Amino acid sequence: GESVGLHLPTLSVQEGDNSIINCAYSNSASDYFIWYKQESGKGPQFIIDIRSNMDKRQGQRVTVLLNKTVKHLSLQIAATQPGDSAVYFCAEGRGNQFYFGTGTSLTVIP
Amino acid sequence: DVKVTQSSRYLVKRTGEKVFLECVQDMDHENMFWYRQDPGLGLRLIYFSYDVKMKEKGDIPEGYSVSREKKERFSLILESASTNQTSMYLCASRAQGASTIYFGEGSWLTVV
Repeated sequence: GESVGLHLPTLSVQEGDNSIINCAYSNSASDYFIWYKQESGKGPQFIIDIRSNMDKRQGQRVTVLLNKTVKHLSLQIAATQPGDSAVYFCAEGRGNQFYFGTGTSLTVIP
Repeated sequence: DVKVTQSSRYLVKRTGEKVFLECVQDMDHENMFWYRQDPGLGLRLIYFSYDVKMKEKGDIPEGYSVSREKKERFSLILESASTNQTSMYLCASRAQGASTIYFGEGSWLTVV
């Protein structure tokens, strides 16, 4: 099977600080990468995606960086808020197949 | 916004019962998926469907079947529920060729 993993299972940050969540992937043939946020008891919510021909993409308060050399993906959240507390996981996609990591739990300390 | 609706959020079923989990999407997406999510294991694909009446096995199809009679609806069927099928089930949909899949809110199934 494929390996899509996260470096840290938990992350705690102070409200207002920036958060960085990391993800490693193993297949250089992946076409796109996606970040999801999952709050307790809810389904995963799409945050941002990036195609393999890009190395950076920005959204509202979020930035995704893709380093294909080391097969590394990161999600940066600016000015983290209590509402950002959730599990974040990455996914890689190839054709119609998606492979998901197990997630990092982000806790925002007020 | 994409809307993927799973009609049952919480179910409790007995071992051996037949269970239906329904999913509807309103974006005319060709592809639909069923995953289960268990602690520490992430999302595992059960079945997916490219289009109406088409289905493909995922990584863990044993004990499950699916039905896609209409484009907007994808049903997951547990023919004879077992306790090891206690899990959270997530439906997702995607436009053909798109880079992102969208999830429903999940169905928590407990088999006793």
